[in-house]
Amino acid sequence: LAKTTQPISMDSYEGQEVNITCSHNNIATNDYITWYQQFPSQGPRFIIQGYKTKVTNEVASLFIPADRKSSTLSLPRVSLSDTAVYYCLVGATDNYGQNFVFGPGTRLSVLP
Amino acid sequence: GAGVSQSPRYKVAKRGQDVALRCDPISGHVSLFWYQQALGQGPEFLTYFQNEAQLDKSGLPSDRFFAERPEGSVSTLKIQRTQQEDSAVYLCASTLSDRGDEAFFGQGTRLTVV
Repeated sequence: LAKTTQPISMDSYEGQEVNITCSHNNIATNDYITWYQQFPSQGPRFIIQGYKTKVTNEVASLFIPADRKSSTLSLPRVSLSDTAVYYCLVGATDNYGQNFVFGPGTRLSVLP
Repeated sequence: GAGVSQSPRYKVAKRGQDVALRCDPISGHVSLFWYQQALGQGPEFLTYFQNEAQLDKSGLPSDRFFAERPEGSVSTLKIQRTQQEDSAVYLCASTLSDRGDEAFFGQGTRLTVV
């Protein structure tokens, strides 16, 4: 099981780009990297998933270097409503029970 | 419904009481997960179902915790003889397949044991 390490908290200002990096030094060959967002009193919400290089969707980008030992979630031009906890998960699609193991996450505060 | 539905949203139980928490996953979703989330912490995995089969229950903290999904849709998490340390938010999630795709979470049930 790949353990992940993320910063506990980050602050940013509205309109800035935010990059949250996750370390997963013992990631396995079959593991995917997935990011979730959680607002208070709500369940986590899927943001993006990737295996290698770069993935982009309408919400975020995910950058994964060649060695896959880390990944960076990039949120362009954040707004106050992006204040939330962000979780990085790693797991294999064929090891399902372990595929969704959450760490403590990164608490992002977006300031006006 | 369009999303994962959990009931009740809030439950207060006296210590020693049994509770049952319900999860209605998205229709047709094969996989279902239960998590426990303590205040200020990330969700902790409890158990996983693929259809009606409980394939992983390694996260259940004690034999007081029991989960079932008898017809492969609705699931119930039962906690017997509740203790104060069981106070947490219990989250349910479902995914369309068993291949690691996007998980959809419910809003959770906040259990307070007094």
